[in-house]
Amino acid sequence: QKEVEQNSGPLSVPEGAIASLNCTYSDRGSQSFFWYRQYSGKSPELIMFIYSNGDKEDGRFTAQLNKASQYVSLLIRDSQPSDSATYLCAVRRLHSGGSNYKLTFGKGTLLTVNP
Amino acid sequence: GAVVSQHPSWVICKSGTSVKIECRSLDFQATTMFWYRQFPKQSLMLMATSNEGSKATYEQGVEKDKFLINHASLTLSTLTVTSAHPEDSSFYICSARTGGGGNQPQHFGDGTRLSIL
Repeated sequence: QKEVEQNSGPLSVPEGAIASLNCTYSDRGSQSFFWYRQYSGKSPELIMFIYSNGDKEDGRFTAQLNKASQYVSLLIRDSQPSDSATYLCAVRRLHSGGSNYKLTFGKGTLLTVNP
Repeated sequence: GAVVSQHPSWVICKSGTSVKIECRSLDFQATTMFWYRQFPKQSLMLMATSNEGSKATYEQGVEKDKFLINHASLTLSTLTVTSAHPEDSSFYICSARTGGGGNQPQHFGDGTRLSIL
């Protein structure tokens, strides 16, 4: 089982709709969870992070975490064409054998918002 | 805040050349920096974790003699790809984190696209 799994998509939604991006992880010791947006040819840009069960809202974005189910999601309300990008889920856990925290990325979900 | 600057953005060079990539945290002190590599349509793969003043921790399968990492100060880490070959062509991205603890987010540089001819 992969450490961090995402549907590769592409996920296509009309402008103004809600886009729902999902991510599951295998390590129950994972401590914090991040969503990054990556435009083609660019580096990832942090959107949100969450480390407690429940919802966390920031503008049009809501991150949801369920540690019992090992599941984290990102909802984008009122999707805009500029939201079209690859969304990377990343999970942080303590690096084995050391004191550094390691961020493991999923392969990303390609989101296309159609005007 | 939390700006990470990476230089250069593009490198094209001949096989056998060594290439150095710099990563700087501009407005914060980065105790820990990370180096990733990303191939087309793939996710980011962590290569190594670098702590200021100590040796980098490399991920399994990453040759430490091939990818030299130096984290000499709290604001600068460098990755040197030694004797680069075409298979080293990739998108290299550095990342830095403020302070310690597992909940601090990582911020990424703009990446370096390396092409080895």
